[in-house]
Amino acid sequence: AQSVTQPDIHITVSEGASLELRCNYSYGATPYLFWYVQSPGQGLQLLLKYFSGDTLVQGIKGFEAEFKRSQSSFNLRKPSVHWSDAAEYFCAVGGYQKVTFGIGTKLQVIP
Amino acid sequence: ETGVTQTPRHLVMGMTNKKSLKCEQHLGHNAMYWYKQSAKKPLELMFVYSLEERVENNSVPSRFSPECPNSSHLFLHLHTLQPEDSALYLCASSQDLPATNTGELFFGEGSRLTVL
Repeated sequence: AQSVTQPDIHITVSEGASLELRCNYSYGATPYLFWYVQSPGQGLQLLLKYFSGDTLVQGIKGFEAEFKRSQSSFNLRKPSVHWSDAAEYFCAVGGYQKVTFGIGTKLQVIP
Repeated sequence: ETGVTQTPRHLVMGMTNKKSLKCEQHLGHNAMYWYKQSAKKPLELMFVYSLEERVENNSVPSRFSPECPNSSHLFLHLHTLQPEDSALYLCASSQDLPATNTGELFFGEGSRLTVL
């Protein structure tokens, strides 16, 4: 069965600081991997996705993520966080005809 | 209207009430989904429809009853709910099944349900 682990439930960073959100997955084959973002009162929006090819993928809003097969990880990064990035971030793995989400990481940005 | 629209945005109901959540997608997609989002839990996939046919039902209690009259509309009928059913219910769509082939689920803003 496929699964996703996001070990950090809550992260606080200062505006302008760099950000890395961790994601580990379990899947028997090459996975499809996603990061979604949910702002308060909103639905989820796709930030980026990995299907194959280059293991470093670029997304919207200046985010990127790196697929590391040896570590079963797909961590999300941003070099400089903006106050508007405060939201909840969900990692997801696709396979076996469905998408499975992690529990989410809530990002707080302080001035 | 664009994207995925859900109504109502907020709903409070008693355990003996009957209500419905509505979802409409304006993207021309063929697959639609209901997810349940509870605090500190991963999103739970409840139902999946492809071309108006239910293709997945993840052991959801019968007090939740989905309906997909056409590829643009999806309903979730609610009756005799329990307080633990209070959650955010998210509707999503994708071009086709499986969603992994198309790379993206498009979500509505959700319906916040409170069961008293």
